Amino acid sequence: GQNIDQPTEMTATEGAIVQINCTYQTSGFNGLFWYQQHAGEAPTFLSYNVLDGLEEKGRFSSFLSRSKGYSYLLLKELQMKDSASYLCAVRDRAGGSYIPTFGRGTSLIVHP
Amino acid sequence: DTGVSQNPRHKITKRGQNVTFRCDPISEHNRLYWYRQTLGQGPEFLTYFQNEAQLEKSRLLSDRFSAERPKGSFSTLEIQRTEQGDSAMYLCASSRGTGGSGELFFGEGSRLTVL
Repeated sequence: GQNIDQPTEMTATEGAIVQINCTYQTSGFNGLFWYQQHAGEAPTFLSYNVLDGLEEKGRFSSFLSRSKGYSYLLLKELQMKDSASYLCAVRDRAGGSYIPTFGRGTSLIVHP
Repeated sequence: DTGVSQNPRHKITKRGQNVTFRCDPISEHNRLYWYRQTLGQGPEFLTYFQNEAQLEKSRLLSDRFSAERPKGSFSTLEIQRTEQGDSAMYLCASSRGTGGSGELFFGEGSRLTVL
C-alpha cells in the first residue's frame, strides 16, 4: 500500500500564499489528487496530477515529482473560505484496481 | 444533474444492532467506492465496485461488514452487530470508468453513532 504524509495543520493570513506538501511511497503510481473538505462536508475535487510538473487552476496549483514521490498544493490570494482540510490522495494500480488512498489531511486555518 | 446521494444522513444505534446505508451514485458512473472517515483523519478505503462486481475489499474490513451493488446501480453497506468503534462517517463515492482523471465524486456521507 501507500505511505502518504502531509502536515497535520497549517495557518496562514488572508491574502497570502500557502504551500501544502505531500510525500508518498507507492509501487504502482497512477495519479495524485488533491481534495478540499470543509468541516462536516464531503471532500470535493481540486486537482489531478499524473505527469511531472505544475497544473494551474485559478488560485490553486498542484505540482508533482514522481521521482521524488512529492507533490504540493499551492493556494494563492488566500480567502477566509479556504479554511478547510486539504487531502492528498494517491491512486495505485496494484492488483489491477485503481483505488485512491488518502492521507490524513492538512487542516488549514486562514486568519484575518 | 444529481450528485451522489446517501441515506440516512445520520444514524444513532445501540451496540449490537445492525445498520444499513444506501448510496445512489451518479448515473453514468460505473465505479463505486465506500470509505470510512473519523475525526481528524482522511477517508479510509473499505470496498470498491466496478458495475455490480465487488473487486476490492480492505483487509481492515471485518466480517461484520458487507456491501452489495445489485444491477450495478445503487449500493448498500451493512454493518452487523455494531460496536462503538464503528462510529464514523461512511462516505460513498463514484467515478467514471474511462476518460478524464477518474476523480471521485463524494456523497454527503452517513454519520453513524453507536451508543
